[in-house]
Amino acid sequence: LAKTTQPISMDSYEGQEVNITCSHNNIATNDYITWYQQFPSQGPRFIIQGYKTKVTNEVASLFIPADRKSSTLSLPRVSLSDTAVYYCLALDDKIIFGKGTRLHILP
Amino acid sequence: NAGVTQTPKFRVLKTGQSMTLLCAQDMNHEYMYWYRQDPGMGLRLIHYSVGEGTTAKGEVPDGYNVSRLKKQNFLLGLESAAPSQTSVYFCATERRNTEAFFGQGTRLTVV
Repeated sequence: LAKTTQPISMDSYEGQEVNITCSHNNIATNDYITWYQQFPSQGPRFIIQGYKTKVTNEVASLFIPADRKSSTLSLPRVSLSDTAVYYCLALDDKIIFGKGTRLHILP
Repeated sequence: NAGVTQTPKFRVLKTGQSMTLLCAQDMNHEYMYWYRQDPGMGLRLIHYSVGEGTTAKGEVPDGYNVSRLKKQNFLLGLESAAPSQTSVYFCATERRNTEAFFGQGTRLTVV
């Protein structure tokens, strides 16, 4: 079973910052928090991964508090092309997906 | 550098027929996975492999078999296809706990 819980859907507007929170109360010591993005008819694509504190790359930031029971994916200044499903995963020895968050960006 | 290649991209099967889906990777990754994704749903893990010669069951293994005879190939077999196996199948590879790379998907319809 997936170890994570995230909102089913979110709407936002172009140019806004979007934050998607993921709950993982039972995360194990060795688990990494990883986010994927999936467009229709395509396989998921890796966005970002972290273990604790903050990680930033060219497309997103990932915030993980000290207790690691939740994490937040932050997408700065979204555009229409960011409309997709976003999956939060707590990785151990295999990749299990949950239901993901359907993000819809409005003009 | 092709990355992850799935063969075929589309297939229509009659109930009871068998087929094999091939996933080939050129990234020398140890881990390989097979998922299915039904319309409007998330990906569900069918089987996975942590190295050449190894396989393990995932969340929904019934009706499927797999083999990993070579490190670069992971085969998914349907012995007797059923309409409930109509889905899009994705293969993925990764070096453990790092970025996973997915194939373009195989759209299978069982009539």
